[in-house]
Amino acid sequence: KQEVTQIPAALSVPEGENLVLNCSFTDSAIYNLQWFRQDPGKGLTSLLLIQSSQREQTSGRLNASLDKSSGRSTLYIAASQPGDSATYLCAVAGSNYKLTFGKGTLLTVNP
Amino acid sequence: NAGVTQTPKFRVLKTGQSMTLLCAQDMNHEYMYWYRQDPGMGLRLIHYSVGEGTTAKGEVPDGYNVSRLKKQNFLLGLESAAPSQTSVYFCASSSGVGYTFGSGTRLTVV
Repeated sequence: KQEVTQIPAALSVPEGENLVLNCSFTDSAIYNLQWFRQDPGKGLTSLLLIQSSQREQTSGRLNASLDKSSGRSTLYIAASQPGDSATYLCAVAGSNYKLTFGKGTLLTVNP
Repeated sequence: NAGVTQTPKFRVLKTGQSMTLLCAQDMNHEYMYWYRQDPGMGLRLIHYSVGEGTTAKGEVPDGYNVSRLKKQNFLLGLESAAPSQTSVYFCASSSGVGYTFGSGTRLTVV
């Protein structure tokens, strides 16, 4: 059974800091890995999707990497802003593209 | 450009009552999923479908049934609601590449 772990569970940083969120998974037989953002009481917003054959994806200030063989992914956020405050979820896709989620990292960026 | 639409957005049920949650997508996606999200547990897969007329069990299927009679719709049913089914329910659809999630249904069973 696939298990996804996200570290840290919570993170508080001052505005402008660069930060890294970590995700690990136990079964390397994945189709893709996706990072989502969730604001309180809201749905999931897709940030970045990395196919299993890819090593990284970038979108603006966000960069996600994937090391499938070691079962790890990182989400790098550059020059953090208060508007980045949210819960960040990592999910891996297995058979039938079913997603298995980590429990998330709650990020607070302080002005 | 509706994407994935879930109805209703909020519902309060009494123990033992039944209800159906509707998920509709307009992207012609083959794959559809129902997840529940609970504090400290993350998102867990309830049931999923790989195409019209198909359904399969996920990680936590007990107490739920689903149907996919039309490709664009995926229904989640609770036959006899229990307080343990109090949760936020998310529907998602996928083409096998990206995923689109609905905005969720907040269900409370009293």
